[in-house]
Formats: sequence, structure tokens, C-alpha cells
Amino acid sequence: QKEVEQNSGPLSVPEGAIASLNCTYSDRGSQSFFWYRQYSGKSPELIMSIYSNGDKEDGRFTAQLNKASQYVSLLIRDSQPSDSATYLCAVNSGNYGQNFVFGPGTRLSVLP
Amino acid sequence: GAVVSQHPSWVICKSGTSVKIECRSLDFQATTMFWYRQFPKQSLMLMATSNEGSKATYEQGVEKDKFLINHASLTLSTLTVTSAHPEDSSFYICSARGAAGWNSPLHFGNGTRLTVT
Repeated sequence: QKEVEQNSGPLSVPEGAIASLNCTYSDRGSQSFFWYRQYSGKSPELIMSIYSNGDKEDGRFTAQLNKASQYVSLLIRDSQPSDSATYLCAVNSGNYGQNFVFGPGTRLSVLP
Repeated sequence: GAVVSQHPSWVICKSGTSVKIECRSLDFQATTMFWYRQFPKQSLMLMATSNEGSKATYEQGVEKDKFLINHASLTLSTLTVTSAHPEDSSFYICSARGAAGWNSPLHFGNGTRLTVT
């Protein structure tokens, strides 16, 4: 069983719509969760972190965490073509949070 | 914010030569750095974990004698691809964490695109 799972996509949404990206993880002891965005040919960049159950909003981005369900999501409101990228879910695991595990990423395409 | 600088951003070398890639944390001390490799349209693959002052920990299947990692200071880790071959052509990315613990994210360098001819 993979430790962090994401739908590979591509997920296509029209411009202005809400894009919903999902991630599940297997380590119940994980406590920190991160979303990264990676444009083609570029390195990943951190866009959101979340540590507590519930929602965390930052501009057009909202991260949602449900530890009981081992589920993390990222919502992108008012999606723009510039949001087209691969979104990576990352989870801290290990006794001391020393392991940083990435999901395979979901490719998002926002259609103008 | 935390900045990780990686150099060079791209390099072309001939088969059989060695290439060194540098990764620096510019505004924080990085006790741990990670080296990733990514082939086109594929996921990030962790190659090794670099710890300041100690030997790197390599992932299964990564040849430690081919991919030499040195983490000599709290702000610098280097990856040397020895005797490079065309199959080593890839995008190499380093990342760093400022401190251990649950809430510390990874910060990535801009990556190095290696082409071996």
C-alpha cells in the first residue's frame, strides 16, 4: 500500500471554477501535511501547510484535513489557467516527523 | 522565507565525466537536505538524505558510489554524479528543512537539469 495516494489526473476544470484535489495517507501518526505546486520543468513550491483538523484558507486556496479519515484536500477557487500544474501532497511521518513522503501528484489543467 | 539555492541550473556533459551540483540554504541552517531525481512526466524520486557531518542515507536502488553526497556544513550539500552516462540525464532537485519536527516543510532549490551526451 502506497503511503500517500493521489489521483494522477489530469483533472480538467474551466476557468473560474473550483478545482478540488484529494490526497489520502496511510500513517495514522502523521501530523503535518503540505501541498506543493510544480510547474512543468520547474521544482516544487510550497503553497499550503495544515496541521489541525478542519479548513485553512489562504487567498484562493483552502486546505482541508480530516485525520480520522486520513484525508487531505486542496480547493482552488476561481481557477485560472496559470494554476495549471501538478499538485503534490506531502505528509510528515515517522516517530519524530523525520520522513517527508510525497504523493505522485495530480495534474490540473484549467481551461480558458 | 527560507531560500534554497541550487547550482548549476543546467549542465551538459560528456559520457564518463563527473558533475557536481551544489545546494545551499541561504537564510537558514539545514541539518538535513534531501536529493531528488525526476524524469519527464514522472514523480519525484528521493535519492538520498544528507545529514550535516555524517554519511548520507541512500534509498534502495541508488548507487552510493555513483552519486556522491557531501554535507560538510549546515548550509551546503553537494551531489556529484560520477562517470555520468546518458541514462543519468534527469532533473535533480535538492531540498532542505531548517529544523526537525513535525511542522517543518521542505524548501526546494530550482533544480539542475543534467544532460549527458
